[in-house]
Amino acid sequence: ILNVEQSPQSLHVQEGDSTNFTCSFPSSNFYALHWYRWETAKSPEALFVMTLNGDEKKKGRISATLNTKEGYSYLYIKGSQPEDSATYLCASYNTDKLIFGTGTRLQVFP
Amino acid sequence: DTGVSQDPRHKITKRGQNVTFRCDPISEHNRLYWYRQTLGQGPEFLTYFQNEAQLEKSRLLSDRFSAERPKGSFSTLEIQRTEQGDSAMYLCASGASGSTGELFFGEGSRLTVL
Repeated sequence: ILNVEQSPQSLHVQEGDSTNFTCSFPSSNFYALHWYRWETAKSPEALFVMTLNGDEKKKGRISATLNTKEGYSYLYIKGSQPEDSATYLCASYNTDKLIFGTGTRLQVFP
Repeated sequence: DTGVSQDPRHKITKRGQNVTFRCDPISEHNRLYWYRQTLGQGPEFLTYFQNEAQLEKSRLLSDRFSAERPKGSFSTLEIQRTEQGDSAMYLCASGASGSTGELFFGEGSRLTVL
């Protein structure tokens, strides 16, 4: 059974704060690691797909790193804004499907 | 809009009734996935199709659940004799085989069983 774990479960920050979340996954048979952002009443939206150990990807104020040898990925948000409030999901791609973690629910207060 | 669409968005039903959800994927995608998400959990894999073939079903999918993709385009997920524990968000996603697994999700169908 493939377990993907995320921490923290929820996070409340002030506008302007920088924050980061952790995703851990089994490192054996690794293929790809995905980050999604899921806003209430919308569909989950892909942020990053990462495959290589040491990979670092960036989209605006959001960036992610990947360590496939030890089985973890970090997602960073610099200068959080209220519109960043969402659930951030990571998922490991294995045997033709995504296995998701429980997500980190981020709330950014103005 | 050429994204993944799901219908209905919300369904309230009484225990014991049957419900059916429909998913229209992105037309170029040959794979279609169903996931279920309950409060405090991430999306859990239920089943997926490649074209019209159902290639994998999760052990979560009891005999009351059936999914079809008859022509390799849209898919339906039917739940028979619904139970309160079936209350959840049912998400559909589509993607292409041979890729790194990126999926494009619909907005989900929320089921409430009274």
